[in-house]
Amino acid sequence: DAGITQSPRHKVTETGTPVTLRCHQTENHRYMYWYRQDPGHGLRLIHYSYGVKDTDKGEVSDGYSVSRSKTEDFLLTLESATSSQTSVYFCAISEGGRINTQYFGPGTRLTVL
Amino acid sequence: AQSVSQHNHHVILSEAASLELGCNYSYGGTVNLFWYVQYPGQHLQLLLKYFSGDPLVKGIKGFEAEFIKSKFSFNLRKPSVQWSDTAEYFCAVNLSGGYNKLIFGAGTRLAVHP
Repeated sequence: DAGITQSPRHKVTETGTPVTLRCHQTENHRYMYWYRQDPGHGLRLIHYSYGVKDTDKGEVSDGYSVSRSKTEDFLLTLESATSSQTSVYFCAISEGGRINTQYFGPGTRLTVL
Repeated sequence: AQSVSQHNHHVILSEAASLELGCNYSYGGTVNLFWYVQYPGQHLQLLLKYFSGDPLVKGIKGFEAEFIKSKFSFNLRKPSVQWSDTAEYFCAVNLSGGYNKLIFGAGTRLAVHP
């Protein structure tokens, strides 16, 4: 398995509170991604990064921000959590270029009450 | 906008039955295609992938998939399923080049009964 860890693995929070999820990789891959998984929707891309300090929005980025200050860490922040952000969040990494397979972390289950 | 359709949301099979899960995508350019599997409570694992060459690709655990460009399809097959294949299966597409963003289908839940 790819060296990807996510923290926390489970979190329960209240509406309106800020939440930060962390993705850490030991593979030195250039690309990192945040997805959310919801029943009936598969996985949807929230944000992605193509290098340190280089990030861009995915298809469901509203209400989320990201930061990448080091190659190995990609943070996802919910500035003010809402119940619609209750989901399972997966981080993924890829080497990029011709070898562009994405490998996924174990996921974080977030519940917003 | 590009999209991926998985026709079967739930599939129930008995052990030793054959499996075929449909996947169609909407994009006319060059694509890379993937099937991922998610066992209960686990993260997504790569089952197989297609980049170029032979359109019939073989993956882990006896799975294979066939890319039919004219039909924009990448169907997953296994001749004889086992109880341990119970999982959710996701088809995904990314556009060749760019930032390797994946577009996922909604997934197919497979339940295999002994």
